[in-house]
Amino acid sequence: GQNIDQPTEMTATEGAIVQINCTYQTSGFNGLFWYQQHAGEAPTFLSYNVLDGLEEKGRFSSFLSRSKGYSYLLLKELQMKDSASYLCAVDGDSNYQLIWGAGTKLIIKP
Amino acid sequence: DSGVTQTPKHLITATGQRVTLRCSPRSGDLSVYWYQQSLDQGLQFLIQYYNGEERAKGNILERFSAQQFPDLHSELNLSSLELGDSALYFCASSVDGGGNEQFFGPGTRLTVL
Repeated sequence: GQNIDQPTEMTATEGAIVQINCTYQTSGFNGLFWYQQHAGEAPTFLSYNVLDGLEEKGRFSSFLSRSKGYSYLLLKELQMKDSASYLCAVDGDSNYQLIWGAGTKLIIKP
Repeated sequence: DSGVTQTPKHLITATGQRVTLRCSPRSGDLSVYWYQQSLDQGLQFLIQYYNGEERAKGNILERFSAQQFPDLHSELNLSSLELGDSALYFCASSVDGGGNEQFFGPGTRLTVL
């Protein structure tokens, strides 16, 4: 089967760093996406990893280990506006659709 | 603004009714995806069209159907509505299927009373 696991909810403090993990088991792998979704709004693209390693983009970084079926999203210098759900999605095979995780709800406290 | 438009933004209807949700993809995108998101739930993939043809099907109920027209806009038809169909319905588009970034529309919030 195909499966993506993320923690349901995480809490962090404004100004701190948080790491959101995503593990996947899929029949194939072409790449992994991270999206941000504020409550009641559309998901917006954050990052796309194809190769192993860390990709940094401002306060957000994404890491991928294909051999371990593992990715994480690292958010630095947390701001209140980072309170949102973070969705991990895998392009797993030639079925033309992404496999979506259930999302991690991140709560930022002052 | 992702460039994907959806109408209507809100829809309130009664059980047993039928509604149509509309989506226009970004200019140049050939693939359209439909998702359902119930309150505090993850995205549930419903169906994908590519250049007018159905390409992939997810957990779409038989009461639901979709199509993509020659101008590439898409419609999702929901019939015999039930209370549990109340959800946010998102449309997304991409240049092609699979590994391309999907751009999401603002969603249609459906409330079934």
